[in-house]
Amino acid sequence: GEDVEQSLFLSVREGDSSVINCTYTDSSSTYLYWYKQEPGAGLQLLTYIFSNMDMKQDQRLTVLLNKKDKHLSLRIADTQTGDSAIYFCADSRGGSQGNLIFGKGTKLSVKP
Amino acid sequence: GAVVSQHPSWVICKSGTSVKIECRSLDFQATTMFWYRQFPKQSLMLMATSNEGSKATYEQGVEKDKFLINHASLTLSTLTVTSAHPEDSSFYICSARLPGLAREQFFGPGTRLTVL
Repeated sequence: GEDVEQSLFLSVREGDSSVINCTYTDSSSTYLYWYKQEPGAGLQLLTYIFSNMDMKQDQRLTVLLNKKDKHLSLRIADTQTGDSAIYFCADSRGGSQGNLIFGKGTKLSVKP
Repeated sequence: GAVVSQHPSWVICKSGTSVKIECRSLDFQATTMFWYRQFPKQSLMLMATSNEGSKATYEQGVEKDKFLINHASLTLSTLTVTSAHPEDSSFYICSARLPGLAREQFFGPGTRLTVL
């Protein structure tokens, strides 16, 4: 079945770049998403990428997609303490429902 | 744009009572909404897909008689946890999907349910 895997923790210093990695198994995925969750809050959609793209940049965020290896990454440039949160990678399940399959989330800690 | 609200943001109830959680899309019409459950330090688990005007589609292992979902309008879906027990305590999050190819889902802020 579909599965999305992420490393659980990442710690960086303020000002450095953060790279959060994700692998997925569903080869029919058309869109892949990155969400951010701050403590006690819902999920905020950060960005998404269509499967025929290999890169998407949006201000400090860069998404790289290697469809052959089914590997997705999110790079945050100039990481700030406000970026500390849990980041979820999600894969859209095939079919009309368009359900999302989430990874377990990567907790990003930014040290001053 | 694309704001989703949930009410209440937290609720404490006694075992055996029922609790209703509302999910609203504030600035767009959502034919499809989703209900998720999130345990502490865990990912989101999809409970059900709610389609306006039709019965919800429940994921395997989710009791439809316990978690009643109603999607009566294009901007409102409700989840009712019936006869709640302490093991139902969790963070419940809804999302609403925008129409279009990208199928972006926008999430509500979540509802923390504690059953005593």
